[in-house]
Amino acid sequence: GESVGLHLPTLSVQEGDNSIINCAYSNSASDYFIWYKQESGKGPQFIIDIRSNMDKRQGQRVTVLLNKTVKHLSLQIAATQPGDSAVYFCAESSGGQGGSEKLVFGKGTKLTVNP
Amino acid sequence: DTGVSQNPRHKITKRGQNVTFRCDPISEHNRLYWYRQTLGQGPEFLTYFQNEAQLEKSRLLSDRFSAERPKGSFSTLEIQRTEQGDSAMYLCASSLDNYPGPQHFGDGTRLSIL
Repeated sequence: GESVGLHLPTLSVQEGDNSIINCAYSNSASDYFIWYKQESGKGPQFIIDIRSNMDKRQGQRVTVLLNKTVKHLSLQIAATQPGDSAVYFCAESSGGQGGSEKLVFGKGTKLTVNP
Repeated sequence: DTGVSQNPRHKITKRGQNVTFRCDPISEHNRLYWYRQTLGQGPEFLTYFQNEAQLEKSRLLSDRFSAERPKGSFSTLEIQRTEQGDSAMYLCASSLDNYPGPQHFGDGTRLSIL
């Protein structure tokens, strides 16, 4: 069945380093991917998204890479700051293929930034 | 604040009681989604609305769960005869109706069943 998962449950980095969070998905019909940041006691906060017709998209300090060949998604955070400490989720949907627009989430990666 | 608003933030109730949660989406968003999140897991889809029409329901949404969006603005999620397994964070999200586009989440209602 369709699923979205993450390779590592936790990631610890030093302040100022770059962080890379990985995600694998299995639904070949997925056409939209999105990254969220979730802090304790709060809802997921949108970070960046990418459509399946792209392989890279950049935001402020963040870059998302999509490799459809191996069904892999990554989030790169440049110059990681203590405020980036949170759980990061990738999610996908397949609404453009006549499928569902619901988001399917992975389990999340907990990022800890050490000062 | 013009984000997604959810009330109450916390709800504690005894097993067997009925509970109702409210979600107010971002004002110009036609689509509204409900998700459930348990500790250590990602959110799981429950249902979604396009204006007042409920377009999709998950198999997770048992007969005890009902969602409404009567005027295409706010939405309510009701759980009847609550069970221990209903304890979770219930998240609401909204989006514009031009797929694809980001869903913006509220801070959720945390439900605890005693």
